[in-house]
Amino acid sequence: GENVEQHPSTLSVQEGDSAVIKCTYSDSASNYFPWYKQELGKGPQLIIDIRSNVGEKKDQRIAVTLNKTAKHFSLHITETQPEDSAVYFCAAPPNAGKSTFGDGTTLTVKP
Amino acid sequence: DTEVTQTPKHLVMGMTNKKSLKCEQHMGHRAMYWYKQKAKKPPELMFVYSYEKLSINESVPSRFSPECPNSSLLNLHLHALQPEDSALYLCASSQAGHDTDTQYFGPGTRLTVL
Repeated sequence: GENVEQHPSTLSVQEGDSAVIKCTYSDSASNYFPWYKQELGKGPQLIIDIRSNVGEKKDQRIAVTLNKTAKHFSLHITETQPEDSAVYFCAAPPNAGKSTFGDGTTLTVKP
Repeated sequence: DTEVTQTPKHLVMGMTNKKSLKCEQHMGHRAMYWYKQKAKKPPELMFVYSYEKLSINESVPSRFSPECPNSSLLNLHLHALQPEDSALYLCASSQAGHDTDTQYFGPGTRLTVL
């Protein structure tokens, strides 16, 4: 089955700095890569996703890049704000409905 | 409406109790999911319903019993649970359960088993 590794497990940045979280996957046939943000006491919420036919996707301060050759994809958050503090999960593409999540990254943005 | 709702938000039950968790979506999605999430861990898939039929059961103990009465509703019946079953139970839905479908998660039910 798919195996997803996510790094780092914790990340602390100063407000206004950039944050980068990286995930690697094992199945070269994978073609859909979502990122979720989970705030305390809430369910995961999709913040951005990318499909394998593009290498980068951007939505305001958030971007995701995909390197299919190296089998990794990364979440980039620019101009971080305290409200970006949360746990972020990448997910390998579902296989027959089964998603494999990375272990999560706890991002802390210090004012 | 891109919302998945779950009730109750919190549930405390004894090991001999029977309770149910409920999930509802009105996005017209035909795939619905139950996940279990322990503290500081990623969600773990338990069950998948596709077009109201159980399509995936991740070897979950029989004390958890899912039910999909219609395409908008998903229940999880709980009976004779153990303290280690205490966790956040998340419901999600997606358009049709395809590999590239986005999953939308509810806020979860925080379950404590005494």
